[in-house]
Order: sequence, then C-alpha cells, then structure tokens
Amino acid sequence: GENVEQHPSTLSVQEGDSAVIKCTYSDSASNYFPWYKQELGKRPQLIIDIRSNVGEKKDQRIAVTLNKTAKHFSLHITETQPEDSAVYFCAADAGGTSYGKLTFGQGTILTVHP
Amino acid sequence: GAGVSQSPSNKVTEKGKDVELRCDPISGHTALYWYRQSLGQGLEFLIYFQGNSAPDKSGLPSDRFSAERTGGSVSTLTIQRTQQEDSAVYLCASSSRAGGRGRRDGYTFGSGTRLTVV
Repeated sequence: GENVEQHPSTLSVQEGDSAVIKCTYSDSASNYFPWYKQELGKRPQLIIDIRSNVGEKKDQRIAVTLNKTAKHFSLHITETQPEDSAVYFCAADAGGTSYGKLTFGQGTILTVHP
Repeated sequence: GAGVSQSPSNKVTEKGKDVELRCDPISGHTALYWYRQSLGQGLEFLIYFQGNSAPDKSGLPSDRFSAERTGGSVSTLTIQRTQQEDSAVYLCASSSRAGGRGRRDGYTFGSGTRLTVV
C-alpha cells in the first residue's frame, strides 16, 4: 500500500519568514495530493491540493509543488503569520482500486512566533 | 446538513464495554471514511465506504472494530470490548466522487468523537 513520509515533525519560524514542509510517497500510481491544516482541538481542513498533471499550484500565501519523478511534494507558506500556527498534514491518493482513500503523513507542528 | 456531523463529541467508557460512534456525512457525498487520531499522532485509516461497493476494511486494527453504512448515508463505527489503547479521536470524513478520474474533491471532516477508555 501507499506510504507517506512527512518532514519535519516540528517547525518553528519567525513571523514573516517562509515555511516549507516536505512529503514523499511510495506509490507511483498516486495522482492526488492534498494538504490539511488542523488547529488545536479542531478538525482537519483542506487548504490546498494538487493533481498529478500539475507541477505547482498557488493560492495567495500558500503553494504546493509536485515532483512525480522523485515522488515528493512540498507545501510552501510565505510571509507566515501567527494564525498559521497549526498541525499540517500531507496526504496521497493512490488511485486504482484505492481511489478516494487518502494515506496521511505524520504531521508537522508549525509554530509562528510573533 | 451543511457539514459532517459526528456524535457523541466525547465518550468515556469502561474497559470491556462496547461503544458506537455515529457519522452523518454531507448530503449527496457517496464516499465516507473513518480515521483514528491518537494524541499528537497522525491520521490512521480505518475503513472506507464508496457507494454500493464493498467497504475497504483494510485499516481496522482488530476484529473488535466494525462499521456499517446504512442507506448510503449514516455510518456507525462499533468497538467491542474496548481497551485502553482504543482511546483516541475518531474522525469521520466524506467526499463526493465523480465517476472516473480527472475530478476530485477533498475530504470534509467531522469534528470527531473523543473516546476515552478508563
């Protein structure tokens, strides 16, 4: 089955700096890669996603890049703000008979210091 | 409803008792998923329902865990003879799924049920 590794497990940055979280996946058939943000005590929420026919996608201060050859994808947050502090999860959907089932990374605790 | 509803939000049970957790997905969403999140950990897949297809039960950790989805809507996750290691937040999510590839909606998660086995 699919295996998703996420790094780093914790990330601390100063307000205004950029933050980058990286994930690798094992199943070359994977074709959909969402990112979720989970604030303390709340449900995970989708913040951005990318499909395998696209190399990069941006939405205001966040962007995701995908390298299918290397089987890795990354989340980039620019001009970080204290409200970006949360746990971020990457995920991969293997497609085929597992279509729709997401395998999640272990999460990254992002702390943005004012 | 507008979102995914889960009940109860909190459940404290004694070791050895059975518990039932309920998930009410977004209306029209054909796919429903159960995940488990232990304290400070990631999201562990449990089971996945898609339309009328046989569910993917590959993530259920033991035969004490079972789930059903009635009428393609509400789902219940049942844990029999609960153990302390079952303590976690149980998250349900639903998504729409167009036929074939090329279109994808992300999951919408419920708020979860925090299960504590004492």
